[in-house]
Amino acid sequence: QKEVEQNSGPLSVPEGAIASLNCTYSDRGSQSFFWYRQYSGKSPELIMFIYSNGDKEDGRFTAQLNKASQYVSLLIRDSQPSDSATYLCASQGADSNYQLIWGAGTKLIIKP
Amino acid sequence: SQTIHQWPATLVQPVGSPLSLECTVEGTSNPNLYWYRQAAGRGLQLLFYSVGIGQISSEVPQNLSASRPQDRQFILSSKKLLLSDSGFYLCAWRETFAQYFGPGTRLTVT
Repeated sequence: QKEVEQNSGPLSVPEGAIASLNCTYSDRGSQSFFWYRQYSGKSPELIMFIYSNGDKEDGRFTAQLNKASQYVSLLIRDSQPSDSATYLCASQGADSNYQLIWGAGTKLIIKP
Repeated sequence: SQTIHQWPATLVQPVGSPLSLECTVEGTSNPNLYWYRQAAGRGLQLLFYSVGIGQISSEVPQNLSASRPQDRQFILSSKKLLLSDSGFYLCAWRETFAQYFGPGTRLTVT
């Protein structure tokens, strides 16, 4: 069974520090990976996606992909209290008809 | 730009009552559409997806059904709700690789 695993947290990080969120996946055929942010009571919103090994940066966010080790991470630099949310990781396989396999999410708390 | 609407935003229904949730997408044509459910404190469970009018694929056996009567309209229904149907129902559409979500409907079955 194809799975995406995330530590449920909560992960507590001081304001201004780097928050590191991790995700592992079981399907070696997965090609694209997505990070979504979900505030309490709201719907998920896309932060960024990555499909090549290495790093991809977008503002304060950096996604990292290591296909050999089957893990994806999201780094948030200069963490702000507004970054406090649940972060969902998802993978998409080559033959999945664009369906996503979702992790259960990691709750991140940024402490002022 | 594309916009996705869902209604109602919240709903409280008794056990055994019917359900109809609607999702519409603006600004795109023939999108892939998805229905998800998120139980409290849990991840996203894919319920149905559709690649076109009248084309529905079901991921989980349950007392829910879905229909796509128009290109940009996706409806989730039930004839008789169960307590276990409570949750946050999310509609999403796909653009290239990623999925984008509507605001969701919070359903409480009492």
